[in-house]
Amino acid sequence: QLQLQESGSGLVKPSQTLSLTCAVSGGSISSGGYSWSWIRQPPGKGLEWIGYIYHSGSTYYNPSLKSRVTISVDRSKNQFSLKLSSVTAADTAVYYCARADAVGQLDYWGQGTLVTVSS
Amino acid sequence: QSALTQPRSVSGSPGQSVTISCTGTSSDVGGYNYVSWYQQHPGKAPKLMIYDVSKRPSGVPDRFSGSKSGNTASLTISGLQAEDEADYYCCSYAGSYTFDVVFGGGTKLTVL
Repeated sequence: QLQLQESGSGLVKPSQTLSLTCAVSGGSISSGGYSWSWIRQPPGKGLEWIGYIYHSGSTYYNPSLKSRVTISVDRSKNQFSLKLSSVTAADTAVYYCARADAVGQLDYWGQGTLVTVSS
Repeated sequence: QSALTQPRSVSGSPGQSVTISCTGTSSDVGGYNYVSWYQQHPGKAPKLMIYDVSKRPSGVPDRFSGSKSGNTASLTISGLQAEDEADYYCCSYAGSYTFDVVFGGGTKLTVL
């Protein structure tokens, strides 16, 4: 059974960089046909897709966040990571990592981690 | 691209059926048979309930069904149970020329 687990700082100061890692177990991140995604959910609000990365390293980012987002993959550790720069209070959210098929359908999710942006 | 449109809330009594709509455009819902639905209980991660418009992952009860007509997809839950009370989100593939996946705004299902 595939499992995903987010980790990283739960408190980030404004203007700094948010960094999260998603560890994948029970399967290989190098499996073809899937992308590895980051999605966020501000408190009391809906889901927002941040971006995703294929095992090849190809990335796709939400245009609204593209200038601030970097998603990378570490195949040796079977994990992928998110960096979001120049954060503001509007970036406060629960951040989820997930696996998606070739057309963006998300079949496995991490439990989510709350990141608060505050000084 | 704009988010898909869902009703803010729907409700039903135990045993009844409810339908949640998800309206997009010909560039997303209407253009591809790749609509998925997610159930989210408070404080939990979303769970895939429907994919490819109408397919159910293993373990999802057959009380949950999906369909599509034109630019609108629908999730129908029959034989409502108390544990079905949750938020539901639709999601659609929108092509490969831009960021190609879009979510709906979410619908709160209340079981009366």
